[in-house]
This record gives sequence, C-alpha cells and structure tokens, in this order.
Amino acid sequence: DAKTTQPTSMDCAEGRAANLPCNHSTISGNEYVYWYRQIHSQGPQYIIHGLKNNETNEMASLIITEDRKSSTLILPHATLRDTAVYYCIVRVLGGATNKLIFGTGTLLAVQP
Amino acid sequence: NAGVMQNPRHLVRRRGQEARLRCSPMKGHSHVYWYRQLPEEGLKFMVYLQKENIIDESGMPKERFSAEFPKEGPSILRIQQVVRGDSAAYFCASSPGTAPPNEKLFFGSGTQLSVL
Repeated sequence: DAKTTQPTSMDCAEGRAANLPCNHSTISGNEYVYWYRQIHSQGPQYIIHGLKNNETNEMASLIITEDRKSSTLILPHATLRDTAVYYCIVRVLGGATNKLIFGTGTLLAVQP
Repeated sequence: NAGVMQNPRHLVRRRGQEARLRCSPMKGHSHVYWYRQLPEEGLKFMVYLQKENIIDESGMPKERFSAEFPKEGPSILRIQQVVRGDSAAYFCASSPGTAPPNEKLFFGSGTQLSVL
C-alpha cells in the first residue's frame, strides 16, 4: 500500500470548517483513499472513503485532486467532539489481506 | 446490532502471567483484526483472522503471542508470560467481508492491558 503524509497537528475554531490535507503522491490507480479518526482512548472510527470522485456523507466530505496525488477531508462545522487524531490511509481492495495500515495521522484540536 | 465487543475493558497482570483478551465481532462479520497501540504511539496491525483461519499474522511478535477465532465464540488474543513492554491498548476490529461494500473495519473500544 502507498504511503501518506499528513501534518502532525492542526487547530480549528468551533463551528468553522476543518480541512485536513493528505499527500499520497505514489498512489496507484487501484488504491482507494480512506479516512478514519480516533478520539482519545477509543477505537478508530470510519469516516469516509473514495477512489477518484469527491464523496460526501453525514460526517464529512472528501475531495480528491484530479491527479489523485492528494486529498482533503472536510468537516463542515467542527465541534469540540471532533477533536481526535485523523488518519488518511490508501489501500487496495479485494487483495489477500484486508488490513488497514495506520500512519501517525493529524491531531485536530477544535478550540472553543 | 451491537458493535464490536471487547472484554475486559481493563486487564491487570503481573509479569509472567498470561493475558487473554476477547473480541466478539459484529453480527454477521466473519473477519477479525487485532491491533496494538503502545503509549503515545500509533496503531500497529498484529493479525487478521477469518473463522478458524489465520490469514495474515505479519504483525504478530514471534514469541508469546497467539490468536484464534474459533467456529463458535469470540476471537481470543493470548499473551503468555507477559512483560512490562506488553502494556498497551489492544483493539479488535471486524468486517463482514473484504470486497466493497463489505470491506470497512469497525473497531471495538479496546482492552487496556497493564503489566505490573
């Protein structure tokens, strides 16, 4: 699986949009971009994923650049409960193993 | 539909004892994954099992650690002769399959193992 690069930490004001970038310049054509987050002392939580089109669900939006070398996770109205470590993961689906490989992620601190 | 259930939530062991961590996947999920998170570190993959079979154990330490997922009952992560360095949060995840849309992993709340 390709590697990703994320900023170590970011701050965001409560109620504002949080934009979390991820660089995956070596991504292959059949690799998806997944986002998970881990709130302190809890298990990781799935947020969203995509291949090449932008995606939106009830939690967030995922914007993938046309060349697929980077993406941005958008939390439209951040709340204090969104403070967590956010992981960007690229992976091939349907292979011999379905494991996720976590990097160091971005610690998002939502400020009141 | 209950989520992934892990127990115990906290486990205290003395050096040299055995630790057994249990994971009940979500209903209908036949794939189980174990991860370890050392203090102030990231999540590290340990092992992936599919009912009675170990599919990928590339992250498992070579000694003292074993995992099983029997036909009936929860998945068990077993650590023999625990040492202080085994103190960590152990997370279990499950998925219904591996191909879309069933590939997403759902995680439990973890077991915090403390070795005295």
